[in-house]
Amino acid sequence: GQNIDQPTEMTATEGAIVQINCTYQTSGFNGLFWYQQHAGEAPTFLSYNVLDGLEEKGRFSSFLSRSKGYSYLLLKELQMKDSASYLCAVISLYNQGGKLIFGQGTELSVKP
Amino acid sequence: DAGVIQSPRHEVTEMGQEVTLRCKPISGHDYLFWYRQTMMRGLELLIYFNNNVPIDDSGMPEDRFSAKMPNASFSTLKIQPSEPRDSAVYFCASKTRVAGELFFGEGSRLTVL
Repeated sequence: GQNIDQPTEMTATEGAIVQINCTYQTSGFNGLFWYQQHAGEAPTFLSYNVLDGLEEKGRFSSFLSRSKGYSYLLLKELQMKDSASYLCAVISLYNQGGKLIFGQGTELSVKP
Repeated sequence: DAGVIQSPRHEVTEMGQEVTLRCKPISGHDYLFWYRQTMMRGLELLIYFNNNVPIDDSGMPEDRFSAKMPNASFSTLKIQPSEPRDSAVYFCASKTRVAGELFFGEGSRLTVL
């Protein structure tokens, strides 16, 4: 089976740093994605980790530890427009084809 | 480049009616996914195709739901008969390779009265 856990909601202040955690249990693990979804819109790709370590992309960074089944998304210099839902998703090759399973999402509110 | 195109964007129907949602994936993408999103259950995978062949339909709720992909540029998700609990946003997404980034359409918001 597959299980992905992330906090339901978080609040942070504009200009600050926030870390959104994700833990997972899955068979056939082949990488972890983070997506951003603004209200009423489609999810959009943020990052992909397949090896352990930190991937940095501008204000956003993503970390993966495969042995711990753990990832986090780090958002720096928060802006109001970062208020959105952040979805952790695990890709599994168990049933061929790269099935992507999403967590429930973390609703981030950025306050002035 | 055109992204994933879904239609209709919004549909309101009455319980018992047939609903057909349509999707055109990005050209050249071999994988197509149908997801359903609700507040309670989040983003759930319903079914996915590889080269027009259904690979995993274990997420399809029940026999009322069916999906087809007659060719590489078109897929449908059909609900017959529809029920109020089917109300959700249905997303279609496509990707070019096994571990590739998934590109989502804008979604079809379905309301069943």
